[in-house]
Order: sequence, then C-alpha cells, then structure tokens
Amino acid sequence: EIVLTQSPATLSLSPGERATLSCRASQSVSSYLAWYQQKPGQAPRLLIYDASNRATGIPARFSGSGSGTDFTLTISSLEPEDFAVYYCQQRSNWPIFTFGPGTKVDIK
Amino acid sequence: QITLKESGPTLVKPTQTLTLTCTFSGFSLSTSGVGVGWIRQPPGKALEWLALIYWNDDKRYSPSLKSRLTITKDTSKNQVVLTMTNMDPVDTATYYCAHITPSYYDILTGYYKGNWFDPWGQGTLVTVSS
Repeated sequence: EIVLTQSPATLSLSPGERATLSCRASQSVSSYLAWYQQKPGQAPRLLIYDASNRATGIPARFSGSGSGTDFTLTISSLEPEDFAVYYCQQRSNWPIFTFGPGTKVDIK
Repeated sequence: QITLKESGPTLVKPTQTLTLTCTFSGFSLSTSGVGVGWIRQPPGKALEWLALIYWNDDKRYSPSLKSRLTITKDTSKNQVVLTMTNMDPVDTATYYCAHITPSYYDILTGYYKGNWFDPWGQGTLVTVSS
C-alpha cells in the first residue's frame, strides 16, 4: 500500500506570500500525482495532475513539481481565495487511488 | 460542461444498506475511456476513494471496503449507483461522485495519462445513527 504524507499539517501565511506544500510517497509513484483544493463546505477541485500540469482554468500562480517520492505544490503569491485545504492523491498503483491527509493553508 | 450530483438518504441506521445515485451530464459513460468514481470524507477528515466504474463496465473497489461495495451504471439515464452494505456510524461522511478524466497513452513520455477526478459533485452527507 502506498501511503502519502503531507507537510506541514497547517501553514499560516499572509496574502501575497509564497506557499510551499509538500507531499511524500512511501514508494515511488513516478509522476502519477495530483493536487486538489478544498474550501469549507465545497467539493475538492483538481488543481494539478501528472505532478506538474495545471488543470483547466487554474491560475498560473499554482505550480506543481517533483517525481518519484517527493512532490511540491507552490502558490507563488497567495490570494484571499487560496486559503483552503490541499490534498495530494496518487494513482501509481492503479486501480488503487490514495489521498494524503491534507495541508491547511490559513491566514496568519 | 460536466456536472454531477449525488442523491440518496441523509440518515441510515446501523446494519442497513446505503444506496447513492450519481446523476451526471456533459459526458456519456458509453464513451471510451470515461469513468465515474466515488470518494467519501468523514467530518473534518481526509478523502477516501471507494469505487469506480468505466465505460466498458470495468469496476474497481477499495480493497478495504470491497466486500461491502457494489457499483453499477445506467448509461441511458446517465447515472451511477453505489451501494454499501452493513452501514456503521464510522461510515458517516460526505459522499462524492466524480468524473474520471479519460485515460490515454502518451507516446512522448511512455506513460498512461488521465484517470484523475475532475470535476466532482457537490457531495451528500450521510449520517449513520440509530
């Protein structure tokens, strides 16, 4: 079973700051990793797929990088609407899909 | 535009069977590569994938819940149904259905792309309590 670990659990930042979120896999998932954003009371939204590709309509301030076991989601300059919970998800061992525990980005 | 919406009971009793329906528009489950998945989220907790079904009726389940889950599709109604037997209070969660982006082989990278959950339905909260 592939386990995803996200750090930090909570990231307290101010608007305009850069956010760097980490996702680590217990074994290599190649580039089969996605990032989702979830705001309170809303469904998750796909941000990044295949580790570094932005989904349709996602602003350029969101970027993903990494491969193998270590991945990063970067938000270059936080907008007020970016304060949310972010989940990584892998599908390397399809048809098994697993999600990480999430990182909450809140306002400092 | 792809949209999905979950429907079903908001309250079920322990040991009962839960039946949820995902009604979608903007795509067809008869189109090659297309799929629909179910994911749940207990209050204040993380996401957990449950099951998925593809256009060719290929069905896959979470190993930990496989014995309790059944997923089916009705292509003519644009619906996918998930049943979960022997419900327990720990199954209290918001249940989401999601479109699975079509899978394809990328000849440049040698990888199979797609198979991501996008978009999601709004979710439906199911409480298990006597």
